[in-house]
Amino acid sequence: DVQLVESGGTLAQPGGSLRLSCAGSGFKFSSYGMNWVRQAPGKGLEWVAHFSGSSNTIFYSESVKGRFTISRDDAKNSLYLQMNSLRAEDTAVYYCVRGALDFWGQGTLVTVSS
Amino acid sequence: QAGLTQPASVSKGLGQTATVTCTGNKNNVGNQGAAWLQQFQGQPPKVLSYRNNSRPSGISERFSASRSGNTASLTITGLQPEDGADYYCSAWDNDLTAWLFGGGTKVTVL
Repeated sequence: DVQLVESGGTLAQPGGSLRLSCAGSGFKFSSYGMNWVRQAPGKGLEWVAHFSGSSNTIFYSESVKGRFTISRDDAKNSLYLQMNSLRAEDTAVYYCVRGALDFWGQGTLVTVSS
Repeated sequence: QAGLTQPASVSKGLGQTATVTCTGNKNNVGNQGAAWLQQFQGQPPKVLSYRNNSRPSGISERFSASRSGNTASLTITGLQPEDGADYYCSAWDNDLTAWLFGGGTKVTVL
């Protein structure tokens, strides 16, 4: 079965940094583009970043460009999100999502507050 | 960034048919179609329909998707109490090079 397991979410200070991880299993990880999508408490879904499966193409939403960095290690079947210069508005559940958003992890909660 | 437009809520009676629409433009919905996601409170979203309007295995035939021009639609027939949830559409935008989401539609079964 396909599984995506996120980790790394916690309470962080405004201006601080955090690194999220996502471990994939049950599918050929290297063949898929991967995404981070977030959902603020009581709000809708917001796409954050995409890392393609073959062309090493990376895209970011305007709201995180220059602050967040997406990366992947196909040997470890893992996806990462380095989050710097955190703001209160980054508070959300962060989901690791496969390909064309066809499979979602359970999410990890990031809270940015002093 | 721009998003896709969905109604905030849809309410229908038990056994009736509910339709949720998702409007975009030629760069997103009109280009590659829209996928549909279902989300219950406290749970991650689950795909109901891929961008080509096909259903993943295990998804009830009561859920069907279609597209006309820049508008995608999700139709739920024979509404059941367990269909009460939030529904989101999503589409890749070739111009923005970004995944877009609709704001979500809360479906209530009366």
